[in-house]
Amino acid sequence: GGIITQTPKFLIGQEGQKLTLKCQQNFNHDTMYWYRQDSGKGLRLIYYSITENDLQKGDLSEGYDASREKKSSFSLTVTSAQKNEMAVFLCASSIGKNSDYTFGSGTRLLVI
Amino acid sequence: SQWGEENLQALSIQEGEDVTMNCSYKTYTTVVQWYRQKSGKGPAQLILIRSNEREKRSGRLRATLDTSSQSSSLSITGTLATDTAVYFCATESQGGRALIFGTGTTVSVSP
Repeated sequence: GGIITQTPKFLIGQEGQKLTLKCQQNFNHDTMYWYRQDSGKGLRLIYYSITENDLQKGDLSEGYDASREKKSSFSLTVTSAQKNEMAVFLCASSIGKNSDYTFGSGTRLLVI
Repeated sequence: SQWGEENLQALSIQEGEDVTMNCSYKTYTTVVQWYRQKSGKGPAQLILIRSNEREKRSGRLRATLDTSSQSSSLSITGTLATDTAVYFCATESQGGRALIFGTGTTVSVSP
């Protein structure tokens, strides 16, 4: 079986700081995703990538950059962290359209 | 029930009871997926139901889909304490390339 790993598990940053979250999968899945989860608001799509070097914006892409330099990895950068921001960032991968997603355990972000 | 940005719903039940949660979605989709998220973990898929199916079963789970009313339900029979989790429905977005998740239903099962 495969695994999808997110690092770090916890991230504390300062206001205005650029922060990078990483995600690795060994399923050989083509598509990878970044979602943000705030309390009471479900999951919101930030970016996704259907193949290496591809990037597609989701509804919540403003304030974020993403990078897919290898098929197995997908990173997300918070370009300028906002004070009092607290959320869980979830990475997922899938074979492709209409298939199930496998999620990582998340990176919990706190900005002070 | 779940709908886009609507408030999270919470249900508290006793072990052994059955529970049903509902999901309404806004845009056309060819599949509805249901996910379960336990505390501190990422969501895990439970069941996928396609637009040409009205019902899908998997063990103690039963999903229904009504494309005319754009709604789906997930039922769990004979709940266990380990079923305690947040349950999300998810539908297509981005031309089917990504999923939109509902706001989730929190289910707490007491032993």
